[in-house]
Amino acid sequence: DTGVSQDPRHKITKRGQNVTFRCDPISEHNRLYWYRQTLGQGPEFLTYFQNEAQLEKSRLLSDRFSAERPKGSFSTLEIQRTEQGDSAMYLCASSFYRTQETQYFGPGTRLLVL
Amino acid sequence: AQKITQTQPGMFVQEKEAVTLDCTYDTSDPSYGLFWYKQPSSGEMIFLIYQGSYDQQNATEGRYSLNFQKARKSANLVISASQLGDSAMYFCAITLSGNTGKLIFGQGTTLQVKP
Repeated sequence: DTGVSQDPRHKITKRGQNVTFRCDPISEHNRLYWYRQTLGQGPEFLTYFQNEAQLEKSRLLSDRFSAERPKGSFSTLEIQRTEQGDSAMYLCASSFYRTQETQYFGPGTRLLVL
Repeated sequence: AQKITQTQPGMFVQEKEAVTLDCTYDTSDPSYGLFWYKQPSSGEMIFLIYQGSYDQQNATEGRYSLNFQKARKSANLVISASQLGDSAMYFCAITLSGNTGKLIFGQGTTLQVKP
């Protein structure tokens, strides 16, 4: 399978714990995006990388959130000191940057903070 | 600020019929891209179709076509010959040329196909 993969698919944690999600993009894609989707809403942009450089972060991304993409390959999204409001679906997407850029999404990680 | 509006929270369609899902957008940027994604209950966002703001022809991909009316700032998705597997959430999204490529999504429309 050459699509975008995410791990884990589901995560249940207690408030105050740290969690880390991983995203493996399509191999030739140089851009990687993170989005958050709450129930009944469309996804909202969090951050993106071009190769290993993190080029934009949304104001939604508080300082409890950190994302990395070492060597421009897979990416991790870490949430420290989780809060119940962090409960959401976290979606990763990748694309190959050119004139018309289609983003392909992974299956997402569903986070539930108790 | 760019904005996407999907006014239909839920739609029903009979199997084998065609259905139109509405999307309007608001941007002052002359160059932009419009996308439609499908999200089944499993959660994965599936790319359906793309329309560039300078494209002269309406985009088509199999049973999906995009009714692009630039002056009205609308980009409605038409699904022909609906199938039971089309039951899902559908999102319209916009991205601007020259920016990060980030997608701005509407709130989605839930489509249910009746047998």
